[in-house]
Amino acid sequence: DAGVIQSPRHEVTEMGQEVTLRCKPISGHNSLFWYRQTMMRGLELLIYFNNNVPIDDSGMPEDRFSAKMPNASFSTLKIQPSEPRDSAVYFCASSLAHLDRGRSGYEQYFGPGTRLTVT
Amino acid sequence: AQSVTQPDIHITVSEGASLELRCNYSYGATPYLFWYVQSPGQGLQLLLKYFSGDTLVQGIKGFEAEFKRSQSSFNLRKPSVHWSDAAEYFCAVGARRYGNEKLTFGTGTRLTIIP
Repeated sequence: DAGVIQSPRHEVTEMGQEVTLRCKPISGHNSLFWYRQTMMRGLELLIYFNNNVPIDDSGMPEDRFSAKMPNASFSTLKIQPSEPRDSAVYFCASSLAHLDRGRSGYEQYFGPGTRLTVT
Repeated sequence: AQSVTQPDIHITVSEGASLELRCNYSYGATPYLFWYVQSPGQGLQLLLKYFSGDTLVQGIKGFEAEFKRSQSSFNLRKPSVHWSDAAEYFCAVGARRYGNEKLTFGTGTRLTIIP
């Protein structure tokens, strides 16, 4: 089974440029999450969607960041304009509430991440 | 709001020795609990999860964790570590509320294995 797919895996760009990160969740999953990981701040949740609708975007740093989920199989995270402090690894994860041995719950599956460097 | 504390930033263990990584959570009821592992340059991989029922859960790679309600803890254990277990380990807590499947992660514990 294909896991969460992210592209590109690495992105190097200059300050001021627009950056678009892409994510394809696991087929059938109905929740999607964008995280940012840095040494200084650890793993931060930026935004998450449920059934393609943004539920909580309180982690989005500022207006330069935007995220969309036009359908159940695709999401983008855009940074415009990018700044050096945006350099980080960005992860996408997906989940689906389900029964596991008769017990209901959910777990998130992570993609491999996009390493973004803004110079 | 839920929160997770991993009190150990870095742990060093000899290969073949036992391991216990600590995790404490704060939540108003019994949450969903998870352990993830991250190898350098990789994404997070789910090791194990607790939803309900048996408080001792088994995971992949020989790991297990025990949910202790009285201590608000979900510590990760392995009886004998291998060099390949060197990685960063994250504990996470989630609310029992569908449509709101956000996880709150701890700050992680970095595990170093020495020969």
